[in-house]
Amino acid sequence: SQKIEQNSEALNIQEGKTATLTCNYTNYSPAYLQWYRQDPGRGPVFLLLIRENEKEKRKERLKVTFDTTLKQSLFHITASQPADSATYLCALPPTYGNNRLAFGKGNQVVVIP
Amino acid sequence: DAGVIQSPRHEVTEMGQEVTLRCKPISGHDYLFWYRQTMMRGLELLIYFNNNVPIDDSGMPEDRFSAKMPNASFSTLKIQPSEPRDSAVYFCASSLLRIQGWHEQFFGPGTRLTVL
Repeated sequence: SQKIEQNSEALNIQEGKTATLTCNYTNYSPAYLQWYRQDPGRGPVFLLLIRENEKEKRKERLKVTFDTTLKQSLFHITASQPADSATYLCALPPTYGNNRLAFGKGNQVVVIP
Repeated sequence: DAGVIQSPRHEVTEMGQEVTLRCKPISGHDYLFWYRQTMMRGLELLIYFNNNVPIDDSGMPEDRFSAKMPNASFSTLKIQPSEPRDSAVYFCASSLLRIQGWHEQFFGPGTRLTVL
């Protein structure tokens, strides 16, 4: 069956350090992968998209990698700040060319001042 | 643009009652999605529409759930009769398909449903 796995344990990290989150998937062949941020009581907000032929994508302090061989994406927040504390979800289309998304359960990040 | 608008924000009802959740997507978007989020199951897609037409309702749990999109600016998700296990946060999201073949989804604030 298809699965998207993110670490269920919260990541506690000191301010200024780099937070790294993992998204693993099985039985998918996605053309792209997306990352969203969700704050408590709010809907997810789109952050980044990375395509299957891209190894790395950056946006400000965020960096995403995509390894289709390992079936894994890494999400990095560099120079983390308390305002980065949130839950981060990865999402990908369940079938190639499909316009819907399947989401991981998310990984909470807590940045400690 | 005000973003995706959902109402009500909170709904508390008793088992067996009908519940109607409402969504106004972002103007110009051609896709609308309904999700349910719980701690156990995460964010699950219930149904999505393209140009007001339902495309995939395979995530709708059972016949008690129904969704409509009578026009491009309004959609409803109805649960009749409601059950305690329907308690969750329901999100509506909309998107515009890009030429490159992908789209980012814009989520509403959600409706927190509690069925007693």
